[in-house]
Amino acid sequence: NAGVTQTPKFQVLKTGQSMTLQCAQDMNHEYMSWYRQDPGMGLRLIHYSVGAGITDQGEVPNGYNVSRSTTEDFPLRLLSAAPSQTSVYFCASSPRLVWMGSEQFFGPGTRLTVL
Amino acid sequence: SQQGEEDPQALSIQEGENATMNCSYKTSINNLQWYRQNSGRGLVHLILIRSNEREKHSGRLRVTLDTSKKSSSLLITASRAADTASYFCATVPTGANSKLTFGKGITLSVRP
Repeated sequence: NAGVTQTPKFQVLKTGQSMTLQCAQDMNHEYMSWYRQDPGMGLRLIHYSVGAGITDQGEVPNGYNVSRSTTEDFPLRLLSAAPSQTSVYFCASSPRLVWMGSEQFFGPGTRLTVL
Repeated sequence: SQQGEEDPQALSIQEGENATMNCSYKTSINNLQWYRQNSGRGLVHLILIRSNEREKHSGRLRVTLDTSKKSSSLLITASRAADTASYFCATVPTGANSKLTFGKGITLSVRP
């Protein structure tokens, strides 16, 4: 199993550009989520999904869109990149909802810089 | 908003020593999880402890939970240089559909 994979590993954008961060998992997990990690801030939840076709907002959703057409894939779209979106982005999946007592499996991250 | 807060922010110890990291949180929780992050990598789950549990072990790791004090500790015994990493406490508040909320992390350096 590859686990959770993310592409690209690094990306540089100009302000106003759009892009999609890819995330895929091969563990047949229903629950997937996107976090951003900023220095001194820990991880903050952007969006999450409890299954194909179902998504919801996390703590910091503004400027990001998600969709979940399959169990395996959960892409994160930046609509119009801003310097404040410079961060490291992590995708995670889990076999059950975290409030039911489930660990999360994280991808290796995408380091995004917006100029 | 961040529920868990780790203490200390940074810890430097000699190989072979024990490392103790603490986490405090504000509201009632369903469970608490500890994760490790090596430099430039994703987070790796270490251990999960539920609100009705007081202590759990996994290899050289020991986690305790005191719900009356709203605190948890992670003990790494006989530390190794490979334990050098950031450690995060993450809490799941009580209530259906609660989300995992991460603290800011503790940087552990183990000197060979």
